[in-house]
Amino acid sequence: DTEVTQTPKHLVMGMTNKKSLKCEQHMGHRAMYWYKQKAKKPPELMFVYSYEKLSINESVPSRFSPECPNSSLLNLHLHALQPEDSALYLCASSLQPTGVGEKLFFGSGTQLSVL
Amino acid sequence: AQSVAQPEDQVNVAEGNPLTVKCTYSVSGNPYLFWYVQYPNRGLQFLLKYITGDNLVKGSYGFEAEFNKSQTSFHLKKPSALVSDSALYFCAVRDLRGSGNTPLVFGKGTRLSVIA
Repeated sequence: DTEVTQTPKHLVMGMTNKKSLKCEQHMGHRAMYWYKQKAKKPPELMFVYSYEKLSINESVPSRFSPECPNSSLLNLHLHALQPEDSALYLCASSLQPTGVGEKLFFGSGTQLSVL
Repeated sequence: AQSVAQPEDQVNVAEGNPLTVKCTYSVSGNPYLFWYVQYPNRGLQFLLKYITGDNLVKGSYGFEAEFNKSQTSFHLKKPSALVSDSALYFCAVRDLRGSGNTPLVFGKGTRLSVIA
């Protein structure tokens, strides 16, 4: 299994809603990432988990709350989002968090629309 | 900070012709460079990487890239383009953090259109 699975594929939410994005991998990878990608823009790093611990937070607003319950799962909890948060949210994983040659495996993303 | 630049927003090429997608880098220390491709409504897929060694790196789907230290470039190439190569291509570089983490930083992307 060489896949990173993200659910849901599409999500529409209001600014007062609470929702969660889920990401799962069964490749034994010990680093997991959340990236945000606006249309026609490159992915921007949000969070990195290394061995289930949060190791990088790119000054992301607190309305985004990541969680790594175990080495295979990564969640992104969303609360009180703004319309400008509408984007494609990509999850990725790599075998190790620190190897310079490590390649990232990406999921297909969750397309989020905030109304 | 490590960064990469992709000077072209769009590259158009006829099917069967060679293609080049350009990337230049700016790093302190050794460069660790990657190319990824993104098809519509999909995540990114790894194509190839340069860590050390031969300047010509071969990757997936017939793509290759040439590392040029003097020009600080890492251009993506393919001898004969296919219509199915049409996609968004991202150059990326390892960002070496003091914490030991090495996340990828992406260029802005180049849209490749291969015309039949």
